[in-house]
Amino acid sequence: QVQLVQSGAEVKKPGASVKVSCKASGYTFTSYGISWVRQAPGQGLEWMGWISAYNGNTNYAQKLQGRVTMTTDTSTSTAYMELRSLRSDDTAVYYCARSLLVYAMSSGWFDPWGQGTLVTVSS
Amino acid sequence: AIQMTQSPSSLSASVGDRVTITCRASQGIRNDLGWYQQKPGKAPKLLIYAASSLQSGVPSRFSGSGSGTDFTLTISSLQPEDFATYYCLQDYNYPQTFGQGTKLEIK
Repeated sequence: QVQLVQSGAEVKKPGASVKVSCKASGYTFTSYGISWVRQAPGQGLEWMGWISAYNGNTNYAQKLQGRVTMTTDTSTSTAYMELRSLRSDDTAVYYCARSLLVYAMSSGWFDPWGQGTLVTVSS
Repeated sequence: AIQMTQSPSSLSASVGDRVTITCRASQGIRNDLGWYQQKPGKAPKLLIYAASSLQSGVPSRFSGSGSGTDFTLTISSLQPEDFATYYCLQDYNYPQTFGQGTKLEIK
C-alpha cells in the first residue's frame, strides 16, 4: 500500500535550518508529486508548497519564498523539505502528502499523508 | 490569496444526525474544492475532491456539493468515528488555502 514515512522530531534554535525527509513506498515515486503542509500547535493547516517527483518542478507559498527548498531523491524515493532562518512561529508539525493524480502538473489534491514531523524552534 | 471561510467553527451533534458544513471562497473557484478530515494527533485524510467526487475508500455517507464560491460537506448519518475536525481546501490557484476548520463534537 502507499505509505509515506517522515523523519523524526527536531528541536532547533532560531536562525537555524531544518531538513525533513519523507520516504515513499508502494508506488512509482516519479509518477506523482509531493505537497508539504504544516500545522502550528492547536492551529489549522497551511499549504507550504509542492514538488513534482517527475521533473523537479516546484511551487512555493509566497510567504516562504527564499526560506524553503523542496527536493527529491528518486534513487531512494525520498522527498525533502528544508526550511532556513527558523523563527519561533515556524514551530509546527510538518506533513508531506502525495498528489492524488498521476503526472499531475500542479499540487492539486493530495492523499495519503505522512505521519507528520514536529519541528520545535526555541532558544 | 483566496480566503476560505468555514461555518460553523464548531458543531455539536449526535450519532445518527445529518450534518452540513459550509465553506465560502472569497472569489469564484469553479469546483476546485476539497474536504479533509483530521482526528486528534493524526494526519488529515482526503474525503472529497473537485467539490463532489468521493475519494476511494470513503464511506458514502459523506457527500460534497457546490461551485463558484459556496460549498457544502454533508454527513448523512453521523457515526462515532466521524467526530473530528474538517477542513476545506481550494485548488483554484496558488497558494492553495485551507479553511480555518470545523470541529465536530459529540453532543
